[in-house]
Amino acid sequence: SQWGEENLQALSIQEGEDVTMNCSYKTYTTVVQWYRQKSGKGPALIILIRSNEREKRSGRLRATLDTSSQSSSLSITGTLATDTAVYFCATDEGGSNAKLTFGKGTKLSVKS
Amino acid sequence: DMKVTQMPRYLIKRMGENVLLECGQDMSHETMYWYRQDPGLGLQLIYISYDVDSNSEGDIPKGYRVSRKKREHFSLILDSAKTNQTSVYFCASSLYRQDTQYFGPGTRLLVL
Repeated sequence: SQWGEENLQALSIQEGEDVTMNCSYKTYTTVVQWYRQKSGKGPALIILIRSNEREKRSGRLRATLDTSSQSSSLSITGTLATDTAVYFCATDEGGSNAKLTFGKGTKLSVKS
Repeated sequence: DMKVTQMPRYLIKRMGENVLLECGQDMSHETMYWYRQDPGLGLQLIYISYDVDSNSEGDIPKGYRVSRKKREHFSLILDSAKTNQTSVYFCASSLYRQDTQYFGPGTRLLVL
């Protein structure tokens, strides 16, 4: 799983497999945003889940949020080689002055 | 078309030279950010700007300064660049500080 103090995690899987990445946060968050960064590009939002949601789906993506354990997960079903990227979670601390804090990321390699 | 642009995309400078990185956005976003990204270290926040002339230090501001004179434009300045400032720099913008961040394509800076 990723959090601010951890180094970049790496996963290598075969095309067609399912994969789950985890994210932990230290304090309250109003939202967990998952970003994907492909090689040579900037990160881009792929799915967002709010604190009052337990699960969110978008195509082959599924995000979950467990506020009691302060953790979120991102699952990708039927991975493709084009899913190869670094995946970041971002959380806020709630409140009007909060900003997003990005985790260290998970580097996913999908081999065809 | 929602877009964040960065100029230049690639830059080589000698130690001690001044560096100016430019960022623009066409979404009228209030909040803009500068990050640096080094291998395995994720995104490190350098500065955040809440609006014109309203800037705040991020997690690693030492050696950097910023300027925001127009809402759509945010500059990062390195006075007397150092070799350890070799990195990829990303600019991002968001409607408000907890909202989705839109990233530019990055500037690859090499300080020799």
